Amino acid sequence: NAGVTQTPKFRVLKTGQSMTLLCAQDMNHEYMYWYRQDPGMGLRLIHYSVGEGTTAKGEVPDGYNVSRLKKQNFLLGLESAAPSQTSVYFCASSYEEASANNEQFFGPGTRLTVL
Amino acid sequence: SQQGEEDPQALSIQEGENATMNCSYKTSINNLQWYRQNSGRGLVHLILIRSNEREKHSGRLRVTLDTSKKSSSLLITASRAADTASYFCATATLMNYGGSQGNLIFGKGTKLSVKP
Repeated sequence: NAGVTQTPKFRVLKTGQSMTLLCAQDMNHEYMYWYRQDPGMGLRLIHYSVGEGTTAKGEVPDGYNVSRLKKQNFLLGLESAAPSQTSVYFCASSYEEASANNEQFFGPGTRLTVL
Repeated sequence: SQQGEEDPQALSIQEGENATMNCSYKTSINNLQWYRQNSGRGLVHLILIRSNEREKHSGRLRVTLDTSKKSSSLLITASRAADTASYFCATATLMNYGGSQGNLIFGKGTKLSVKP
């Protein structure tokens, strides 16, 4: 099993460009998450999904959109990238929500630089 | 807005010594989880302790939870160079705290360096 995979691993964008980050999991998990990690900060939740066809906002959703058309995939989109979105993005998945005593499984991350 | 705060921010020890990291949080929780992140990698789950538990062990890891003080500690015994990583605590709460109801809220982490 591959677990959680992310595509791409690295990307450099110019301000105003758009891109989509792809996350895939093969554990049949219902819940999927997108986080960003900035230097000296912990992970902050951008958006999450509690099942196919559903999405919800996390702590820092502005400037991002997400879609969960298939249970195994969770896409994160940046419509008009800004330098403030330079960060490392992590996808994670879990069987149920964390408050129900479930751990999360993380992908390897995507390092995004916006010039 | 961060729920958990780790202390210290950085810790440097010799191989064989014990490493203790602390985490404090602000609201009531359902559980607290510890994760490890090696440089340039994703996070890996280490241990979960429920709000009604006070101590939990897993191999060389020992986690304690004091809900009255809203704090937790992670002890790594007989540390190895391979334990060098950042360690994060994350709290799970049913309260709507920073748009993360039911989800994990991470602290800023403790960077552990174990010298051979």
